Amino acid sequence: EAQVTQNPRYLITVTGKKLTVTCSQNMNHEYMSWYRQDPGLGLRQIYYSMNVEVTDKGDVPEGYKVSRKEKRNFPLILESPSPNQTSLYFCASSFKGVGDSPLHFGNGTRLTVT
Amino acid sequence: AQTVTQSQPEMSVQEAETVTLSCTYDTSENNYYLFWYKQPPSRQMILVIRQEAYKQQNATENRFSVNFQKAAKSFSLKISDSQLGDTAMYFCAFMKRQGGKLIFGQGTELSVKP
Repeated sequence: EAQVTQNPRYLITVTGKKLTVTCSQNMNHEYMSWYRQDPGLGLRQIYYSMNVEVTDKGDVPEGYKVSRKEKRNFPLILESPSPNQTSLYFCASSFKGVGDSPLHFGNGTRLTVT
Repeated sequence: AQTVTQSQPEMSVQEAETVTLSCTYDTSENNYYLFWYKQPPSRQMILVIRQEAYKQQNATENRFSVNFQKAAKSFSLKISDSQLGDTAMYFCAFMKRQGGKLIFGQGTELSVKP
């Protein structure tokens, strides 16, 4: 089944403890991206990748890192999480990363930083 | 920079009636895509409809249609014959034609009442 898989679905951690949220897709998509969703703010793009070894900042990249060493995986890394990074995170992928290439979303990761 | 604004945080409609969700955006681009996404309580993101800016004709998908006014930078979503399953958060989104960055509005929470 074609899908975008995020793990974990729920994560509670403490301030400063490094964490990684994984994202994997099995559709051979070139484009992958990360978003955070907060009430009243909608979804905001954190980082995106148009292809392997190519990453670009979205609108809210501060405090996050990503890597794209292989096509299928696009992990989101929080080196030193803070409470303001408590949010719902989504990974998404598409064939080409342009408007005529539908985005496929993962099921989301609910992160709480205390 | 592009911005997307949804000015209706919440709306409700009676089952079988028609409702229109508003979206305005700001861009200096001439070629771009606009989208409406639906997020039901399951939190899965689902593409409802897509519009290419260079196409004059308004996009339709079954009960969902848009009113795209390029000069006014307006992109409203009309849901006809509303169903209980339409209850969800709806997000308007913008992407430049060359792709990469996807910008979402704040969302409109729609409740369909029996």
